[in-house]
Amino acid sequence: DVKVTQSSRYLVKRTGEKVFLECVQDMDHENMFWYRQDPGLGLRLIYFSYDVKMKEKGDIPEGYSVSREKKERFSLILESASTNQTSMYLCASSSSYRVLVYGYTFGSGTRLTVV
Amino acid sequence: AQKITQTQPGMFVQEKEAVTLDCTYDTSDPSYGLFWYKQPSSGEMIFLIYQGSYDQQNATEGRYSLNFQKARKSANLVISASQLGDSAMYFCAMVPGGTSYGKLTFGQGTILTVHP
Repeated sequence: DVKVTQSSRYLVKRTGEKVFLECVQDMDHENMFWYRQDPGLGLRLIYFSYDVKMKEKGDIPEGYSVSREKKERFSLILESASTNQTSMYLCASSSSYRVLVYGYTFGSGTRLTVV
Repeated sequence: AQKITQTQPGMFVQEKEAVTLDCTYDTSDPSYGLFWYKQPSSGEMIFLIYQGSYDQQNATEGRYSLNFQKARKSANLVISASQLGDSAMYFCAMVPGGTSYGKLTFGQGTILTVHP
């Protein structure tokens, strides 16, 4: 069964900490994405990557960075966590050639609380 | 830029009845794909159904059908014979066809509650 795996289901961090959220996919997908989900706002794109070492800003990149050193792994980094980054974070991947039919495959999400 | 609008924050339906979840979209791309996802309380996003902008017929997947009205830019999800397990958040999303990166734009979501 193909999967996108996010390393943590729940995470509690302190303000100012550097936070790493990890995502791994086993489908050999070219594209990987990080979204955050907040009530009433739906899912908003933070960053995406279309190839190893390539990254593009999404709609809300401020306060975040990403790393993609291997095709299967896409990391989201909160350089200095703040309370307004408390949210649900969803990782997803897609095939460039089949996205119009199959859409995305999502991970189970990481619920991050910054205190 | 693409925009998806779901105007129903919450919907209620009786078990075994049909329900329609509304979705309107805005795009200047001639080619695009429309998706519906279900998110149960567990948080996982589950793909339900897909409609391509050039598809002549409305998409159907089991109890799910997509009422696609291109001129009105609407892509409503119809769930027939609702079940208690259908209670979840539902998201409408769109991907433009002009880019190979496939960035999905999501609506705000609709919470569906199915009553026994």
